[in-house]
Amino acid sequence: DAKTTQPPSMDCAEGRAANLPCNHSTISGNEYVYWYRQIHSQGPQYIIHGLKNNETNEMASLIITEDRKSSTLILPHATLRDTAVYYCIVRVVDDYKLSFGAGTTVTVRA
Amino acid sequence: DAGVTQSPTHLIKTRGQQVTLRCSPKSGHDTVSWYQQALGQGPQFIFQYYEEEERQRGNFPDRFSGHQFPNYSSELNVNALLLGDSALYLCASSWIGTANEKLFFGSGTQLSVL
Repeated sequence: DAKTTQPPSMDCAEGRAANLPCNHSTISGNEYVYWYRQIHSQGPQYIIHGLKNNETNEMASLIITEDRKSSTLILPHATLRDTAVYYCIVRVVDDYKLSFGAGTTVTVRA
Repeated sequence: DAGVTQSPTHLIKTRGQQVTLRCSPKSGHDTVSWYQQALGQGPQFIFQYYEEEERQRGNFPDRFSGHQFPNYSSELNVNALLLGDSALYLCASSWIGTANEKLFFGSGTQLSVL
């Protein structure tokens, strides 16, 4: 019972920014937005998370709309190694589980 | 610093058998979670262990059980295997001190039930 909606797939060009959308219209005030990715044959990898402010780290930027009903993960300069399934997850801070949906399959093309 | 390690990497079992999967958490981590990932789907939460006790459980039958040892390593046991138990089983570790903000996943154990 995932609480997020993501496009099933998207392509992007190597070296360009990749913008991954996520809708979470029923998000509660105490729920964070998390992004993980899963490269083929590996376990999921944490990317970034945020509550309501935009966040940036060495991997990506997370932009959350003011009403918090949607967000965008930005990979600033996509490389072939960024090809993966990207999962957007909403999670209450004291909930121990992550509820994964189907994610977005991102293919970076040379 | 080794990350999360799981063993074995692949396993083939027959319906009705029992299986034990093992996980060593990342150094410094004290919490272990287990997930099941069927082909083409996202991982599904099985349960989480902290201080050697099951702290939260997902929607899985009692055939799925676990254990956490004093060194924080963990085992996942599945009894009476069904064909539908064929999946990638992922272990993830985290540190309670950061409220389990970030989970670090292993590469998983691929279980095939024939």
